Amino acid sequence: DAGVTQSPTHLIKTRGQHVTLRCSPISGHKSVSWYQQVLGQGPQFIFQYYEKEERGRGNFPDRFSARQFPNYSSELNVNALLLGDSALYLCASSSSLETQYFGPGTRLLVL
Amino acid sequence: TQLLEQSPQFLSIQEGENLTVYCNSSSVFSSLQWYRQEPGEGPVLLVTVVTGGEVKKLKRLTFQFGDARKDSSLHITAAQPGDTGLYLCAVPSYNAGNMLTFGGGTRLMVKP
Repeated sequence: DAGVTQSPTHLIKTRGQHVTLRCSPISGHKSVSWYQQVLGQGPQFIFQYYEKEERGRGNFPDRFSARQFPNYSSELNVNALLLGDSALYLCASSSSLETQYFGPGTRLLVL
Repeated sequence: TQLLEQSPQFLSIQEGENLTVYCNSSSVFSSLQWYRQEPGEGPVLLVTVVTGGEVKKLKRLTFQFGDARKDSSLHITAAQPGDTGLYLCAVPSYNAGNMLTFGGGTRLMVKP
């Protein structure tokens, strides 16, 4: 079975632009979580969705938003990009409260 | 102040050496997880410890959960270049879904 897939793998944007990152969970998994990993740090929780509803939100500004689709895939949107948004964005899928499986991430560079 | 403090931040050793990395907190946890992350990849779960004093072994890796469930250690015996990576500890919170709170990680390099 395919693991968690994310697209694009790399992305370069300029300050003020917006970006949409995509995630497809493991087949059968209904929960998707998003994490931001700044270089040299551990991942930080952004959002979790389960059955298309937001189940948790981390300490991120309103510029960050997400949604989950009927097929359980998910999008993370970031508006008005700042230099500090440069990071690896990780998506993880899980079945209910079980183990989270991470995708390879999308590396975003904001210039 | 981070919830989970990992030490050391960086470790560079020769193949065949032993090493221990630590994950400390002042909070008590119901469980704690260890992940390894390689460049260009997401974290991969190595182990979950749930009982105070618990010791789990995964080949050359030994994980221990502190008696008070506030800290954990990872010991690697006879390290190999394939052990190179970022080692992360994390604790799940079930208040809202099952979000993970990660430590800052220990970056390990094992030289041949």
